[in-house]
Amino acid sequence: DAGVTQSPTHLIKTRGQHVTLRCSPISGHKSVSWYQQVLGQGPQFIFQYYEKEERGRGNFPDRFSARQFPNYSSELNVNALLLGDSALYLCASSGRTGTDTQYFGPGTRLTVL
Amino acid sequence: ILNVEQSPQSLHVQEGDSTNFTCSFPSSNFYALHWYRWETAKSPEALFVMTLNGDEKKKGRISATLNTKEGYSYLYIKGSQPEDSATYLCAFRSSNTGKLIFGQGTTLQVKP
Repeated sequence: DAGVTQSPTHLIKTRGQHVTLRCSPISGHKSVSWYQQVLGQGPQFIFQYYEKEERGRGNFPDRFSARQFPNYSSELNVNALLLGDSALYLCASSGRTGTDTQYFGPGTRLTVL
Repeated sequence: ILNVEQSPQSLHVQEGDSTNFTCSFPSSNFYALHWYRWETAKSPEALFVMTLNGDEKKKGRISATLNTKEGYSYLYIKGSQPEDSATYLCAFRSSNTGKLIFGQGTTLQVKP
């Protein structure tokens, strides 16, 4: 079975632009979570979606938004990019929202110049 | 503010040494504690999900214990091998939210 996939692998943008990152969960998983990881820190929670509804939101500005599609894939959108948005963006899928293990994708490395 | 702390930040050991790391988390509103291993250029790999006070989990040479009353978990690696070199992350889930709150990780380097 394929694991969690993310695209693109790497992305370079300039300040003020917007970006869309994509995630496909493991087949059968209905929950997708997004995390931002900057060097030297653990991943920081951005969003969780379950059955296409937002179930949790981290402490990120409104420039960050996400959605989940009927096939449970998800997009993370970031508008008006800032230099500080440069990070590795990880997507994780799980079967439910409770104690289920979250399985991570390889991430998208975003560089904002 | 929910805080998850891991120590040490980094660790260098010789092949064959046994080692352990600590994860500290809030002792209230506990729901689950997750451990992940993250090798460079790979996805974080799930090791354990622990939910009950006193839980002990084992996977090969790696084991973990959980104390929810005092808010800590230990991860042990017996007879470290170079392939164990990675960053080990713990993540806390409270009963109030569905999100994982990660520590900053412990980076282990095992020298042959």
